[in-house]
Amino acid sequence: AQSVTQLDSQVPVFEEAPVELRCNYSSSVSVYLFWYVQYPNQGLQLLLKYLSGSTLVKGINGFEAEFNKSQTSFHLRKPSVHISDTAEYFCAVSDPRGGSEKLVFGKGTKLTVNP
Amino acid sequence: KAGVTQTPRYLIKTRGQQVTLSCSPISGHRSVSWYQQTPGQGLQFLFEYFSETQRNKGNFPGRFSGRQFSNSRSEMNVSTLELGDSALYLCASSLEGTSGGNLAKNIQYFGAGTRLSVL
Repeated sequence: AQSVTQLDSQVPVFEEAPVELRCNYSSSVSVYLFWYVQYPNQGLQLLLKYLSGSTLVKGINGFEAEFNKSQTSFHLRKPSVHISDTAEYFCAVSDPRGGSEKLVFGKGTKLTVNP
Repeated sequence: KAGVTQTPRYLIKTRGQQVTLSCSPISGHRSVSWYQQTPGQGLQFLFEYFSETQRNKGNFPGRFSGRQFSNSRSEMNVSTLELGDSALYLCASSLEGTSGGNLAKNIQYFGAGTRLSVL
C-alpha cells in the first residue's frame, strides 16, 4: 500500500519569497508522482507530474519539483511566489503497474502568500 | 476541448435521502474515478470505472455506488444519506486507464466537484 505525507499543513510566506512544500511517500514499488493545486471552491488542477525520466520536473505557473528516490521525496518549489499562488496543494502517488488509476493523496498544504 | 463536467455543483439533502451525482469526462477519456474530500479525512478514493466496469473500489460502505455508461459518463449514488456524507465529491477522468506505453494515459484531470450538504 502507498501513503503520502505532506509535512506542513500550513505555509505562510511573503510575496516574492521562495517556497518549498514538502512531500514524502511510502511505497513498496515504484510510483508515479503528482502535485495538484486547489483554489477555493474549485476542483484540482494538475501542476506537474513525474512519470519517468529527468528527476527535475517543471510545471505550470513557475513551479518545479524534484523526485528523490533515495529519500522517497517529491518536494515542490517556486523561486518567487505571488499573491495568486495562495491555495491548497496536494501531493499524490499512483501505482504504475496498471490495472487502476487510483490516486493516493497527502493531507494537503495550505499556502498563504502575504503582501 | 471541454474539461470534466460535474453536475450539479451544489446539493442540499436531508438524512435518509438518496442522491445521484453526474460526471461527464473529457472527450475520449474512458476512465472515470470518484473521490470524496472532507476537512477531516482529506481526499479519499471512492471507486474507478473503465469501459463500464468497476475496476477498483475504496474503503466506503455499500451505500456508495456508481456506474459508467457506454459514452463514458459516470454517476455515483449515495443512499440513506448520513450527516457525515457532507463533502465535496470530485470526479476525475484519464485517457485510457492503463499504464505502460503512452504515459499520458496515467494523468487524471478533475472536475470542479459537487458539494453535498446533508442536513
